[in-house]
Amino acid sequence: GAGVSQSPRYKVAKRGQDVALRCDPISGHVSLFWYQQALGQGPEFLTYFQNEAQLDKSGLPSDRFFAERPEGSVSTLKIQRTQQEDSAVYLCASSPDRARQPQHFGDGTRLSIL
Amino acid sequence: AQSVTQPDIHITVSEGASLELRCNYSYGATPYLFWYVQSPGQGLQLLLKYFSGDTLVQGIKGFEAEFKRSQSSFNLRKPSVHWSDAAEYFCAVATGNAGKSTFGDGTTLTVKP
Repeated sequence: GAGVSQSPRYKVAKRGQDVALRCDPISGHVSLFWYQQALGQGPEFLTYFQNEAQLDKSGLPSDRFFAERPEGSVSTLKIQRTQQEDSAVYLCASSPDRARQPQHFGDGTRLSIL
Repeated sequence: AQSVTQPDIHITVSEGASLELRCNYSYGATPYLFWYVQSPGQGLQLLLKYFSGDTLVQGIKGFEAEFKRSQSSFNLRKPSVHWSDAAEYFCAVATGNAGKSTFGDGTTLTVKP
């Protein structure tokens, strides 16, 4: 597709369940970013990949959060043993080169933990 | 640590009027600065960015922003607002070497007919 694609758009899970969020970046984009956006706030950085290498994961809130990009294209953000405070919109972004700032965002996955 | 402040939570302007959205940042060196727009239920769209050089940068949709080092500001402007500009606007700052950008909490723009 022409843009960054995220799936699912909406995810509802019970507290304690594991979830996996998928991001398809723009084809050929080297850099990929994950952000978390709470209601009424700006996005907060989670992690950054350059191809398959995870260069920065300092924003991941806890060891329950895990991100991967094994072949340097599609990325998955996994949250284990979800908690209510994980409820947020998770945004993925990509950039065409080794730019270390996000340029093209997906529409996000809205995660609700009951 | 870098930070971004958008002092105005909500701004209302009349269609056709000029617009200025304020952004102040805190960072020790020359920052990379960005403005994004977000419509409800959608991701962010990059409007413009400043890396170096001319401090007045032009973006998409008729927007421009001016970097003022002395004021640590990067305000977004548009001479004539259209109803379709109603959205949430985010300012962001990044360092040259880091993968993380720090975002402000956004300014919601309402456009009156």
